[in-house]
Amino acid sequence: EVQLLESGGGLVQPGGSLRLSCAASGFTFSNYAMNWVRQAPGKGLEWVSAVSGSDGNTYYADSVKGRFTISRDNSKTTLYLQTNSLRAEDTAVYYCARGHWGLGFSMDVWGQGTTVTVSS
Amino acid sequence: DIQMTQSPSSLSASVGDRVTITCRASQYISNYLNWYQQKPRKAPKLLIFSASSLQSGVPSRFSGSGSGTDFTLTISSLQPEDFAAYYCQQSYSPLYTFGQGTKLEIK
Repeated sequence: EVQLLESGGGLVQPGGSLRLSCAASGFTFSNYAMNWVRQAPGKGLEWVSAVSGSDGNTYYADSVKGRFTISRDNSKTTLYLQTNSLRAEDTAVYYCARGHWGLGFSMDVWGQGTTVTVSS
Repeated sequence: DIQMTQSPSSLSASVGDRVTITCRASQYISNYLNWYQQKPRKAPKLLIFSASSLQSGVPSRFSGSGSGTDFTLTISSLQPEDFAAYYCQQSYSPLYTFGQGTKLEIK
């Protein structure tokens, strides 16, 4: 079964850091781009970052560029998001999602999400 | 960045109704347009990719159309399980963007 499982969320003070993880299983991880998407309480979906499958190219939304770093370990089939200099507006459920080049680069598999709360 | 504008932001409809949601891109995106459904406290689910291709396992009452900058999602006959939020998303640019969402509610 294709599965993504996020972890690492929690309560952090403004200016703090968290590392989110997304463990993948059931597919050849290195063949796919991976994404982070977040959803603030009561708000819509916001794409945050992506990393390509093998060459490691990375992409960021302007709202997180310079503060967040996406990475992947294909040997561990795990995706990461290092979040630094966190702000209240970063409070959200963070989802990892698989990017499928064969499906128009859509995001066809999603994890259940991990919650990040930035508050003093 | 490419901006995606959905309308309406909310919609009330009845079981059996035909509903259409529109999505407009701020620039040309060919057919790199995807639609997702999200139910409360659940992860989004891919419905339509490449503007008009139905994802495996999605009921045929869902359909998508459009190309260039203007797109639509149509549900031909609403079922109780279809009341949810719907989002469009462009994948033309590697800097993905979503529409603001449409909340479909029971009338």
